[in-house]
Order: sequence, then C-alpha cells, then structure tokens
Amino acid sequence: KAGVTQTPRYLIKTRGQQVTLSCSPISGHRSVSWYQQTPGQGLQFLFEYFSETQRNKGNFPGRFSGRQFSNSRSEMNVSTLELGDSALYLCASSLDRGSGELFFGEGSRLTVL
Amino acid sequence: GESVGLHLPTLSVQEGDNSIINCAYSNSASDYFIWYKQESGKGPQFIIDIRSNMDKRQGQRVTVLLNKTVKHLSLQIAATQPGDSAVYFCADRNTGTASKLTFGTGTRLQVTL
Repeated sequence: KAGVTQTPRYLIKTRGQQVTLSCSPISGHRSVSWYQQTPGQGLQFLFEYFSETQRNKGNFPGRFSGRQFSNSRSEMNVSTLELGDSALYLCASSLDRGSGELFFGEGSRLTVL
Repeated sequence: GESVGLHLPTLSVQEGDNSIINCAYSNSASDYFIWYKQESGKGPQFIIDIRSNMDKRQGQRVTVLLNKTVKHLSLQIAATQPGDSAVYFCADRNTGTASKLTFGTGTRLQVTL
C-alpha cells in the first residue's frame, strides 16, 4: 500500500510569491491534516480536512489556506510568501477523524528567498 | 507536548542499552498521546500510542508510560540499536479535536557503538 505522497519535495520561491503544495493520502484514508515544521517552532498544526470540509484550523494567518477534493487528495496554498514561511510542510492522513494514528508524508521543503 | 523550543535535547545511549525519553504535556483535556520517530529527511513515523484511560502500553521493544497526575509521558526503548538514532516527538490531542496534535519539541537520540 502506497504511503502519503507529497509534491513537490523541494521548492524555492521569492517573497511575495504564492505556492501550492499537494498531498495524496493513503488509499482509503479520508482525513488529511497539514503541519508546518521549523527549527524554531517545531511541528505546528495548520489545518485538517475531512469530506472536503475544513474541520480544524491552527493559529496561522489567512495567507495559509487549503482544500480537499472528493478523492481525499488535498492541497495547501500560501500566498504572499514571507521569509518566515520557509519550512518543511508535512501532510498526514488517517482513516477517519479521530481514528488516532496519523501517517505522515516525507514533506515539501519550501525555501523563501 | 511542550510547545516551542530552540534547542533539541540530546540523549546519547550505548548500543544494547535501554533508552528512556521523557515528555511533559500541559493540557489536562488531552485524551490521546502518541510517540513519533523522525529520521533525517523523512516525515514523522508512528511508534506507539496510548489513550488517557491507560497508564502503560507495550509494543515491540517499546513501552509508553503515561502519568496523568504530573502530566508526564515517557518512551522506553529496549536494547537500543543504531537504527533507533533519530528525533523522537511526543504529541497529544485535545478531546474532540480529531487530527489536531500538539507536538513536543523533540529529543534527539544518538546511539553509540
């Protein structure tokens, strides 16, 4: 069974640009959540999607958004990039909401110059 | 788990010895706790979880202990191997928040030969 797939794995953007990251959950998993990982702040929850609806949101500005499609695949978007947005963005999927174990992808490493 | 940390505590253990990694959490409403292992360049990998109605759970070479009185979680790894070298994160979940996990700052485990 394929794991959580994230694309692209690495990308470089400049300040002010926007970026879209993609996540394909494990087949059959319906819940997708996103986390940001930085050396200074650690792993922080961004948002969770289930049945194409955002169910939970972390403490991030409105520049961070996401969506989920009917096949459970998810995308997140960051607009007007800032230097501080440089991070590893991790997607995790689980079978259902609150089912416990989250399976993480390898992440998309974003560098903002 | 504890939020935010600039420096990653490091635990150095000799191969074959047992490792104990500790974690403090602050949310009394947390009902679920997980330990993740993250190797360099990879996403977090699930190790073991425990619900708040338990105080101990064992897996293969790993044991998680939960002390709700002092809000403390520990991960014990028996017969530590070089492949166990990684950063270990504890995470907790507030009741009813599904996939929203709060991660600790992490502990780097170094296994020496």
